[in-house]
Amino acid sequence: QTVVTQEPSLTVSPGGTVTLTCASSTGAVTSGYYPNWFQQKPGQAPRALIYSTSNKHSWTPARFSGSLLGGKAALTLSDVQPEDEAEYHCLLYYGGAQPVFGGGTKLTVL
Amino acid sequence: QVQLVQSGAEVKKPGASVKVSCKASGYTFTNYAVHWVRRAPGQRLEWMGWIKAANGDTKYSQKFQDRVTITRDTSANTAYMELSSLTSEDTAVYYCVRGGSSGYDYWGQGPLVTVSS
Repeated sequence: QTVVTQEPSLTVSPGGTVTLTCASSTGAVTSGYYPNWFQQKPGQAPRALIYSTSNKHSWTPARFSGSLLGGKAALTLSDVQPEDEAEYHCLLYYGGAQPVFGGGTKLTVL
Repeated sequence: QVQLVQSGAEVKKPGASVKVSCKASGYTFTNYAVHWVRRAPGQRLEWMGWIKAANGDTKYSQKFQDRVTITRDTSANTAYMELSSLTSEDTAVYYCVRGGSSGYDYWGQGPLVTVSS
């Protein structure tokens, strides 16, 4: 069974920079996995941030960026704001268009 | 503006079925797919399956293959997800999500389905 792994939790100071990663149990993540990233706040539906590794939606703040880093998909938040405190989920596509979500990273801004 | 509006919360008995609807507006329904994703308490998001709104083709997660049916009504711009043989482990929030070349961009509000005797 394919497992997608994220850091369970991270803490960052306001104004700082943090990178969240998304790893696959099958090996290195490439652009062919079309990594997606979502932000979810308590009691709300997830909100799409990034698709196909690094593409932003029209509503995605400029301080969010997606990339591939060291065999993983990565989401970097720069100049972190208090409102960025949330859970972040990644999603990877596998063969046969079977997407798999990561376990989520709870980001604390402190 | 694009919106996906889902039906309301449900409480079901073990062994029953639940059918959740997802009404789309603000875009051409048949130009996109609709995916279904759930999140059980304390668990990660879980993809259940999807339907191509244009032709009704479906694909299901192996985990739910035997219990889930996804359909759509193009005249009503609505997709449906029916899950049968419910157990307490199916207690979760169920989301519909628009899927296309821009990934999973719009999500429904996600009603809670509670399975309890």
